[in-house]
Amino acid sequence: NAGVMQNPRHLVRRRGQEARLRCSPMKGHSHVYWYRQLPEEGLKFMVYLQKENIIDESGMPKERFSAEFPKEGPSILRIQQVVRGDSAAYFCASSLPGDSEFYGYTFGSGTRLTVV
Amino acid sequence: DAKTTQPPSMDCAEGRAANLPCNHSTISGNEYVYWYRQIHSQGPQYIIHGLKNNETNEMASLIITEDRKSSTLILPHATLRDTAVYYCIVRGLSYNQGGKLIFGQGTELSVKP
Repeated sequence: NAGVMQNPRHLVRRRGQEARLRCSPMKGHSHVYWYRQLPEEGLKFMVYLQKENIIDESGMPKERFSAEFPKEGPSILRIQQVVRGDSAAYFCASSLPGDSEFYGYTFGSGTRLTVV
Repeated sequence: DAKTTQPPSMDCAEGRAANLPCNHSTISGNEYVYWYRQIHSQGPQYIIHGLKNNETNEMASLIITEDRKSSTLILPHATLRDTAVYYCIVRGLSYNQGGKLIFGQGTELSVKP
């Protein structure tokens, strides 16, 4: 039973290019969360998605960033026209649906984005 | 969700117990205390959680005070591989909606030989 799969592990983009980060949740998990971790800083919540729905995007920058979780396939975090300040580790987590006290919150290994 | 306060760093000798404190004085009755850790450059890892009773699993023990305003994570026999940043998070349930975890700065635990 594979865990949360993120790819690529490392991504290098030139300023102005687009970055696409993919996250495949654990089997049976229908909730996906994206976090960003800037160098030497803590984890910052970005967005929470369920299949075909954005539930909470309060942590997403207003411009250039978007996320989706289609009915089929992985969740995608897209960053358009990347700038050096976007260089960070991006982590995805997934969880089960429902009202349990513990949603099986499992994190992937992250994608390290470097903008040159 | 309630705010938490943790010391920024702690040291622990290998083989000894590591006791990591967390203050959550504004916690409300339906909020749980969760602990995660992040070993350098890896994704965060769930450790343990609890509501008001003490909890123990194969990784750690969680002691929650009677008034629930603070808690302590105990790693009974710390090893070098326990060196990590430990996050204490308080969160209420969001029925049928899931819910985000908000990470603070955590405690950087260094286990030394």
